[in-house]
Amino acid sequence: DAKTTQPTSMDCAEGRAANLPCNHSTISGNEYVYWYRQIHSQGPQYIIHGLKNNETNEMASLIITEDRKSSTLILPHATLRDTAVYYCIAAPARNYGQNFVFGPGTRLSVLP
Amino acid sequence: AAGVIQSPRHLIKEKRETATLKCYPIPRHDTVYWYQQGPGQDPQFLISFYEKMQSDKGSIPDRFSAQQFSDYHSELNMSSLELGDSALYFCASSYIQGGSYNEQFFGPGTRLTVL
Repeated sequence: DAKTTQPTSMDCAEGRAANLPCNHSTISGNEYVYWYRQIHSQGPQYIIHGLKNNETNEMASLIITEDRKSSTLILPHATLRDTAVYYCIAAPARNYGQNFVFGPGTRLSVLP
Repeated sequence: AAGVIQSPRHLIKEKRETATLKCYPIPRHDTVYWYQQGPGQDPQFLISFYEKMQSDKGSIPDRFSAQQFSDYHSELNMSSLELGDSALYFCASSYIQGGSYNEQFFGPGTRLTVL
């Protein structure tokens, strides 16, 4: 079973920030939080990952609470092409091939 | 940048036939993962290989087998196909030895239809 829980679906207006929450209250100390998204049957796309510090890249920002029990993925200016299922995954780093456990994810709809 | 290559992209088979799916990881990547995604479902892990050795195993049926070759490409062999095997099959790769944080990069998938 997935170690994370996410809202089933969310809507966001185009051009606004999309904030996608994830609960991972049982995350282990050596586990990172990874975010992926899947656009309509395409291969899941890596977005960002983090351990305990906030992270930012060209796609998104990741805010992790101090107790590491939850995190939020922020898409600063959502576009229609950001409509996808977003997966939050807790997994160890450098674990020599250990798999990702995908949960139901959040279906984000960006509305014009 | 080079991505994960999967072939074929689409495959149609009859029940009880066999199928072979191929995956070519990103150059220099040493780890390959296979996932299955049924209609309306989330990706489910099947099996992974690190440096040509099986490193983890998920809910892969006994009818399926896989291996990673010396050039790091991988093949998923599926025998006695059943209707329920119809799904998207994704391959992902990562570069563990490079000290990366296990980001897995996914290919476009192979859509298998069993009739």
